[in-house]
Amino acid sequence: QKEVEQDPGPLSVPEGAIVSLNCTYSNSAFQYFMWYRQYSRKGPELLMYTYSSGNKEDGRFTAQVDKSSKYISLFIRDSQPSDSATYLCAMSGRAGGTSYGKLTFGQGTILTVHP
Amino acid sequence: KAGVTQTPRYLIKTRGQQVTLSCSPISGHRSVSWYQQTPGQGLQFLFEYFSETQRNKGNFPGRFSGRQFSNSRSEMNVSTLELGDSALYLCASRPAPGGSYEQYFGPGTRLTVT
Repeated sequence: QKEVEQDPGPLSVPEGAIVSLNCTYSNSAFQYFMWYRQYSRKGPELLMYTYSSGNKEDGRFTAQVDKSSKYISLFIRDSQPSDSATYLCAMSGRAGGTSYGKLTFGQGTILTVHP
Repeated sequence: KAGVTQTPRYLIKTRGQQVTLSCSPISGHRSVSWYQQTPGQGLQFLFEYFSETQRNKGNFPGRFSGRQFSNSRSEMNVSTLELGDSALYLCASRPAPGGSYEQYFGPGTRLTVT
């Protein structure tokens, strides 16, 4: 079983929809959680990052972490065709731990937002 | 501030050859990590360097190696290339261990082994 599980999709939604992307993880040492967006043939772009359980909002994006359930989510409101990309969740352990600095990624979810 | 830069962007090599990829981190960032991305395995961690020392290593064979220079620039080397080494190789930087934990990626080097 992989340490981080992410539904690869693909996910297709109409413009303006609310998108929900999710990851589950098994390693309780993970303390830091990130979401990256990757366009075709480009490097991953950091969207959101968080340390603690709870919500973090940035514009149309909201990241949610539930450490007790080992479950993280990314919500995209008012989705746009330009949001069409692969979304990757990533996690790392606490400072001083063996997994600090090493990001463990989900498989990525392919999202298409159609006009 | 300029982002992470990687050279070359594309590379075609033959089985058995070796290759060296280069990465320049964001100015002020002192930690550099390398990742391999393939359709089958996704993004996998190769190693991380800070202060010219390897701090962490993923589960890759010894054919994969790296180094970091005093100006924080990093190189990774793959010797005796195999077909399965064809991938997008990504470099990421962050300020320093113990500080900010989020990593910023470069555009990658796409390696094709024939």
